[in-house]
Amino acid sequence: NAGVMQNPRHLVRRRGQEARLRCSPMKGHSHVYWYRQLPEEGLKFMVYLQKENIIDESGMPKERFSAEFPKEGPSILRIQQVVRGDSAAYFCASSPENSPLHFGNGTRLTVT
Amino acid sequence: EDQVTQSPEALRLQEGESSSLNCSYTVSGLRGLFWYRQDPGKGPEFLFTLYSAGEEKEKERLKATLTKKESFLHITAPKPEDSATYLCAVQEGNFNKFYFGSGTKLNVKP
Repeated sequence: NAGVMQNPRHLVRRRGQEARLRCSPMKGHSHVYWYRQLPEEGLKFMVYLQKENIIDESGMPKERFSAEFPKEGPSILRIQQVVRGDSAAYFCASSPENSPLHFGNGTRLTVT
Repeated sequence: EDQVTQSPEALRLQEGESSSLNCSYTVSGLRGLFWYRQDPGKGPEFLFTLYSAGEEKEKERLKATLTKKESFLHITAPKPEDSATYLCAVQEGNFNKFYFGSGTKLNVKP
């Protein structure tokens, strides 16, 4: 059983470019969550999705950030026109209904 | 207002020196409380789920307990390989939303 797969592991973007982070949930998991983590800090909720639906995006900035979880393929977190403050580790987690979250190893985004 | 508060922020122990980590929460209608371990450069690794006050779970040197307002992660005779950041999370009521604390960074010296 493959775990939650995130890619790329490391991503470097210049200010103003777009960042696309991908997450393939564990087999059989229909719920996907994205979290952001700054060094020495906890996980901050961004968005919760089920297949083809955004359930809760209350933690996601209104501008430049978007997320999707299509019927086929991985979940995508997209950050447009990145700024230095977007540099962080972005973690994806998946779960079946009413179960704990299982995390991937994250994408570390560096904006130069 | 933070829903989950963990203490201490950091803890240094000698190998074999038992201690406890605290997680207090303010959400109403707790659906579940979760403990995770996170190593540097890795994602959080699931350890335990607790659902109701009085419940306990054990795994090797770790034991998690739950009351109505807080949870403890007891570490008995820790080893250097137990060094990691331990995260607590709560799931609220009817929502599939998980709130995480800032974690306790544990360092066990040989």
